[in-house]
Amino acid sequence: DGGITQSPKYLFRKEGQNVTLSCEQNLNHDAMYWYRQDPGQGLRLIYYSQIVNDFQKGDIAEGYSVSREKKESFPLTVTSAQKNPTAFYLCASSTGGLSQETQYFGPGTRLLVL
Amino acid sequence: AQKITQTQPGMFVQEKEAVTLDCTYDTSDPSYGLFWYKQPSSGEMIFLIYQGSYDQQNATEGRYSLNFQKARKSANLVISASQLGDSAMYFCAMSLADTGFQKLVFGTGTRLLVSP
Repeated sequence: DGGITQSPKYLFRKEGQNVTLSCEQNLNHDAMYWYRQDPGQGLRLIYYSQIVNDFQKGDIAEGYSVSREKKESFPLTVTSAQKNPTAFYLCASSTGGLSQETQYFGPGTRLLVL
Repeated sequence: AQKITQTQPGMFVQEKEAVTLDCTYDTSDPSYGLFWYKQPSSGEMIFLIYQGSYDQQNATEGRYSLNFQKARKSANLVISASQLGDSAMYFCAMSLADTGFQKLVFGTGTRLLVSP
């Protein structure tokens, strides 16, 4: 079945530690996205990538980094510079291009700070 | 500034009745898209329905319809014949031409509870 997978489902981070969230899609989509959701809030865009080896900052990129070495994969690293990382992280993908394409989401990763 | 407003934190509806979830938006861009997503307790965002700013007719997808009133800048979601499985958070979102449609701006959501 085509879709988006995210792992792990839950992730615990210690102070000063970098952690990486995985996002993989087999929809053959060009564009991929990372969003953060805080309790009682909508989603906010962290980073997005329209093609391999290219990515752009979203509204809240500070303390995060990404890579896009393969079309199927768009991992997100939460660095120690992100002072309030506890949140629900959602990855999405779309066919991309400059048209109003629907973004489809993965199941999410919940990050907690110990 | 581009913004989505959902003024109903929570809504209650009885099974088999229809319910309207409100969404207003603010943008000066003439080209935009409006989306509704459902987020059950599991957390995944499920796409429901889309309306383009130039679409003449209101979008419909099964039991979901979008009441698009461009002059009022509103894009309300109507769910007909509610089912228990419709209980979830519902988010309205907008994409804009000036960001290449790469950015979705979300509202804060409405929690819908469907009772038997």
